[in-house]
Amino acid sequence: SAVISQKPSRDICQRGTSLTIQCQVDSQVTMMFWYRQQPGQSLTLIATANQGSEATYESGFVIDKFPISRPNLTFSTLTVSNMSPEDSSIYLCSGGQTSYEQYFGPGTRLTVT
Amino acid sequence: AQSVTQPDIHITVSEGASLELRCNYSYGATPYLFWYVQSPGQGLQLLLKYFSGDTLVQGIKGFEAEFKRSQSSFNLRKPSVHWSDAAEYFCAVGGTGTASKLTFGTGTRLQVTL
Repeated sequence: SAVISQKPSRDICQRGTSLTIQCQVDSQVTMMFWYRQQPGQSLTLIATANQGSEATYESGFVIDKFPISRPNLTFSTLTVSNMSPEDSSIYLCSGGQTSYEQYFGPGTRLTVT
Repeated sequence: AQSVTQPDIHITVSEGASLELRCNYSYGATPYLFWYVQSPGQGLQLLLKYFSGDTLVQGIKGFEAEFKRSQSSFNLRKPSVHWSDAAEYFCAVGGTGTASKLTFGTGTRLQVTL
């Protein structure tokens, strides 16, 4: 198993600004993912964070809006850029050795005013 | 494309009563199936998973789920619910490739009355 932590746990941001969310895993993992969970909704995969290469984005998500870094096998960041109130959501990081062995972080609750 | 349907948005049960949460999936081959639980303010915790073999899967916290291929279902059950089981429950489906993605259902919120 893996223990995943995220920082910050929550934040309130003004529209037009950017926020970077950090995800730390307590052990090396092959795969890391970023999800968005809008209020009362399910999880939507934003992208797969690939170590040493560009992230793989899902339909509807673009790198300019959600740049992702993954410098090593235990750490990744997601930036929410040029935020609008529609970006208010919980952002979840997960990691594991395969896509079907995912352990989730506690999430970052973002409110954009 | 793979998809998951959880037809019950909200369920209320009394403590000590049995529980069944429904999950139906759509996938072109034999799926990998999962149930996760999310307590308020927490991330998702894996309750159980089905990859192959015995269609009745045992998980943590006394939960079990049964894979029924003919019904494309993977319902979660617990014989006696505890107040601490109140949470959001998500069913998910994934493919068999190592790079396959998980698709989550919309979740079922469980309320437990004392």
